Amino acid sequence: NAGVTQTPKFQVLKTGQSMTLQCAQDMNHEYMSWYRQDPGMGLRLIHYSVGAGITDQGEVPNGYNVSRSTTEDFPLRLLSAAPSQTSVYFCASSYVSGDTEAFFGQGTRLTVV
Amino acid sequence: AQSVTQPDIHITVSEGASLELRCNYSYGATPYLFWYVQSPGQGLQLLLKYFSGDTLVQGIKGFEAEFKRSQSSFNLRKPSVHWSDAAEYFCAVENSGYALNFGKGTSLLVTP
Repeated sequence: NAGVTQTPKFQVLKTGQSMTLQCAQDMNHEYMSWYRQDPGMGLRLIHYSVGAGITDQGEVPNGYNVSRSTTEDFPLRLLSAAPSQTSVYFCASSYVSGDTEAFFGQGTRLTVV
Repeated sequence: AQSVTQPDIHITVSEGASLELRCNYSYGATPYLFWYVQSPGQGLQLLLKYFSGDTLVQGIKGFEAEFKRSQSSFNLRKPSVHWSDAAEYFCAVENSGYALNFGKGTSLLVTP
């Protein structure tokens, strides 16, 4: 049981480049989300999805796009990378019910130069 | 607005000493509450959670937390800290729509 898998683990981008951070889970969780972690800021929600075909914005969505074509996958797209997007990104998944817990991937460390 | 506050950015304790990490939340109803731990360069691991029932919850690695509705608090405790407990600890509240609202974290340093 792999849980939540994020790829790549590390990435360096130049300003203006685009890329996709991949997230896959094998637990048949309906709910998936993306967070970014910055020093002293905790984790902030970027986008989330409660099921295939359904996505919504979190606290800090600007500069990011998501889609959810399958239950398993929830990719995060950076359309035109900016230095302010330098961060560690975490994907999480859980069941859509009251008393459940979120499972996190190992993170993607992104640097934009 | 809903918020989670961890008042202590850094805490230093001696190995073998007791530990208490504070967490306060602002939310209208009784939320679902979580504590996560993050070791350097790693993802987040769930220590414990509170959904309902007994307000003292036991977690992994010898941690426990107590939910106090009157104080809007969910403090994390451990009777005797080990060097391997050095990490960053996050308190989180489940928002509507299943998203987690995190505190800014407390960094724990354990000295010999």
